[in-house]
Amino acid sequence: QSVLTQPPSVSGAPGQRITISCTGSSSNIGAGYDVHWYQHLPGTAPKLLIYGNSNRPSGVPDRFSGSKSGTSASLAITGLQAEDEADYYCQSYDSSLSEGLFGGGTKLTVL
Amino acid sequence: QVQLVQSGGEVKKPGASVKVSCKTSGYTFINQDISWVRQAPGQGLEWMGWIRASNANTNYAQKLQGRVTLTTDTSTSTAYMELRSLRSDDTAVYYCTRGGSSSTYGLDVWGQGTTVIVS
Repeated sequence: QSVLTQPPSVSGAPGQRITISCTGSSSNIGAGYDVHWYQHLPGTAPKLLIYGNSNRPSGVPDRFSGSKSGTSASLAITGLQAEDEADYYCQSYDSSLSEGLFGGGTKLTVL
Repeated sequence: QVQLVQSGGEVKKPGASVKVSCKTSGYTFINQDISWVRQAPGQGLEWMGWIRASNANTNYAQKLQGRVTLTTDTSTSTAYMELRSLRSDDTAVYYCTRGGSSSTYGLDVWGQGTTVIVS
């Protein structure tokens, strides 16, 4: 069981908006550590989607956005496209464990 | 452009060791941390540890303490991950990535991955 909890799966129709949650605790997200999000397509390396809770690297469409509040963070994707179908992971740092963390991952299905 | 190029896939027997290399280019090696992440078949991403290229300070996942060693060669801008006493559940794709575990900027560039099979 991951210290950062994500829903195993989410789905949405093309054009719709979905959100993926990432729930942590007072020793990681709640302690103020940044949350980052990655998109992972099978057979490829993960790709940084959001860094520092809400910032998009150059080249990432503005359909992707991130937010953080308290001990949780969220990734939102608007205007869903077939190419968004992938696994999504949140990542942060835990001061109690003194190590980096990934959430368990969320599989996004575009219906 | 920034690139991280990893060594090729490996097949190892249980109890053996494996050492994966990650050659970097396109940025100043000693100015960034390198983290290692792995993904076992059907599983999620697992953070393994990171190394500060400037001073070789390391931080390892508790689960792997004592079995993993991260090193760097600043003369060739290359990072290495060695995993010892291999078990079948170490079968995974191993990635090197630029950035540290608590970096504000996340893990922004990834190697292509190295498949390690323990059988």
